[in-house]
Amino acid sequence: SAVISQKPSRDICQRGTSLTIQCQVDSQVTMMFWYRQQPGQSLTLIATANQGSEATYESGFVIDKFPISRPNLTFSTLTVSNMSPEDSSIYLCSARDTFNQPQHFGDGTRLSIL
Amino acid sequence: QKEVEQNSGPLSVPEGAIASLNCTYSDRGSQSFFWYRQYSGKSPELIMFIYSNGDKEDGRFTAQLNKASQYVSLLIRDSQPSDSATYLCAVKRNYGGSQGNLIFGKGTKLSVKP
Repeated sequence: SAVISQKPSRDICQRGTSLTIQCQVDSQVTMMFWYRQQPGQSLTLIATANQGSEATYESGFVIDKFPISRPNLTFSTLTVSNMSPEDSSIYLCSARDTFNQPQHFGDGTRLSIL
Repeated sequence: QKEVEQNSGPLSVPEGAIASLNCTYSDRGSQSFFWYRQYSGKSPELIMFIYSNGDKEDGRFTAQLNKASQYVSLLIRDSQPSDSATYLCAVKRNYGGSQGNLIFGKGTKLSVKP
């Protein structure tokens, strides 16, 4: 299975600032996703990162708050904009090679907003 | 009705016993089902996936799927303290603009007592 690397692994940020999280896969993958896991909760899908086009966002998530880039088949970024304490969470990158293949996760980025 | 439902637990079993984890889903058209294990502070790790009705075995793990009842389960035989973790059930959507995304249940926390 693909190895998925995320950075930073954790960060502490000030309210109102923005942070960009990078996700690198060691092989070309068809699909990449971004999830959020709030403390004590399960995973919530933020968006599907589409290569060469705008990301597809889930209900409750908007591009202005969570802009996503996917310039090629191995790399994606998620920006958390104008952060507030409610954005404190673990952000997880996930990838899958084809529709029928299992999906794997990076180690996550643990984000705390002061 | 939530798309994927799990009993949050905690489920406590003695070492060596069988742990049974259950999951129900609402979309009758779902085709693919996944079990992830998540240790505290770590990202989800895929342990089993199943596409067809019946049982699928992999070592100490057995996934069971019953599409008529919209029910999927995970059995862990000879449970070990190292199996103590949160187990996440995930179902792949097969419709609409979010085709192929994984939707997660809240997870069941398993504790295996020595």
